[in-house]
Amino acid sequence: SAVISQKPSRDICQRGTSLTIQCQVDSQVTMMFWYRQQPGQSLTLIATANQGSEATYESGFVIDKFPISRPNLTFSTLTVSNMSPEDSSIYLCSARDKAQETQYFGPGTRLLVL
Amino acid sequence: QKEVEQNSGPLSVPEGAIASLNCTYSDRGSQSFFWYRQYSGKSPELIMFIYSNGDKEDGRFTAQLNKASQYVSLLIRDSQPSDSATYLCAVKYAGNQFYFGTGTSLTVIP
Repeated sequence: SAVISQKPSRDICQRGTSLTIQCQVDSQVTMMFWYRQQPGQSLTLIATANQGSEATYESGFVIDKFPISRPNLTFSTLTVSNMSPEDSSIYLCSARDKAQETQYFGPGTRLLVL
Repeated sequence: QKEVEQNSGPLSVPEGAIASLNCTYSDRGSQSFFWYRQYSGKSPELIMFIYSNGDKEDGRFTAQLNKASQYVSLLIRDSQPSDSATYLCAVKYAGNQFYFGTGTSLTVIP
């Protein structure tokens, strides 16, 4: 199984600022995803991070607010831009190898926006 | 609209009993089905996956899939207090995305 690390693990940010979250996988994977999980809620897919091209965003999420990069098969970043308290959440990176079908999650980044 | 439905619970069972968690899905094109366990404050961890109709056993866990009725379940035998967590059902459709249910909270009472 893929081992996924994220940093920072948590942060407290001021309204109007931006935070970039990094995700590193210990092996090459074909697919990487970013999810958001608000307290007591299930996982909401933000976008699929595509290597070498623009991310594919889900309904309700836009590139200007959540720019994503994926420069290679093991690394991706998610930026939460112009933050507001409503962005307070856990952000999870996930990776899946197409051959294996199974999907694994990083430890998450806990974000609090004041 | 692809939907994955779970009873949010909470579900409480005594230690040693069988815990039964259920999940229904809306799209008959669904291909693969997964159960994740999430402890409070932690990220989801994969427990089991199942692709074919019938039962699949792994230790104390059994996943059951019935594509005709569009449901998948997870049985936990000899439940332990350490099994107390939220269990998420995930369904993969013909595309590449997983769709997650809202999760069922399980408490195993010593």
